[in-house]
Amino acid sequence: GIQVEQSPPDLILQEGANSTLRCNFSDSVNNLQWFHQNPWGQLINLFYIPSGTKQNGRLSATTVATERYSLLYISSSQTTDSGVYFCAVETSGSRLTFGEGTQLTVNP
Amino acid sequence: DTGVSQNPRHKITKRGQNVTFRCDPISEHNRLYWYRQTLGQGPEFLTYFQNEAQLEKSRLLSDRFSAERPKGSFSTLEIQRTEQGDSAMYLCASSPWDRVTDTQYFGPGTRLTVL
Repeated sequence: GIQVEQSPPDLILQEGANSTLRCNFSDSVNNLQWFHQNPWGQLINLFYIPSGTKQNGRLSATTVATERYSLLYISSSQTTDSGVYFCAVETSGSRLTFGEGTQLTVNP
Repeated sequence: DTGVSQNPRHKITKRGQNVTFRCDPISEHNRLYWYRQTLGQGPEFLTYFQNEAQLEKSRLLSDRFSAERPKGSFSTLEIQRTEQGDSAMYLCASSPWDRVTDTQYFGPGTRLTVL
């Protein structure tokens, strides 16, 4: 099956800093989603982005499908950005395959 | 649109007992998915339905697990003869099955602890 690798596994920032999270995948995908999992376990949709670039406030994402990677940018980080960020891809059918996540900690 | 809901949010049970979880998808979403997440890992796919038809099951879904979506609306996931290894967060998601943007939306999860 498809492999999804996220980096870095852990990231510690000071409030106000910028960061880039990376997701590499091993095969062509029909769907790619970025999620933020809050401390209570809720997965919150950030982006549906199988290709191209999207922006939503301080967050933006870019997927280069031909090179099989996606990037999530967080600018001017806030303590509420802390949590685990997951990349998930779908190749056929409908199942999402998740990476192992990036644990982000933003300190005040 | 109240989002995907799951009940109960937490369940503690003794090994060998049966448990059942419920998921209510976003209304008019015809696809419903179940995933399992253990500590420190990403969610793993278990099964999914399109309307009332169960279209795919993961090898993770042993014979002790059964899922239903009888009327194409809510779904239940039952685990029989629970084992300590079943302790995990069980997540439900739904999607509208729109090939333009087939985004999956997740519920808050049911956290199962098997003693």
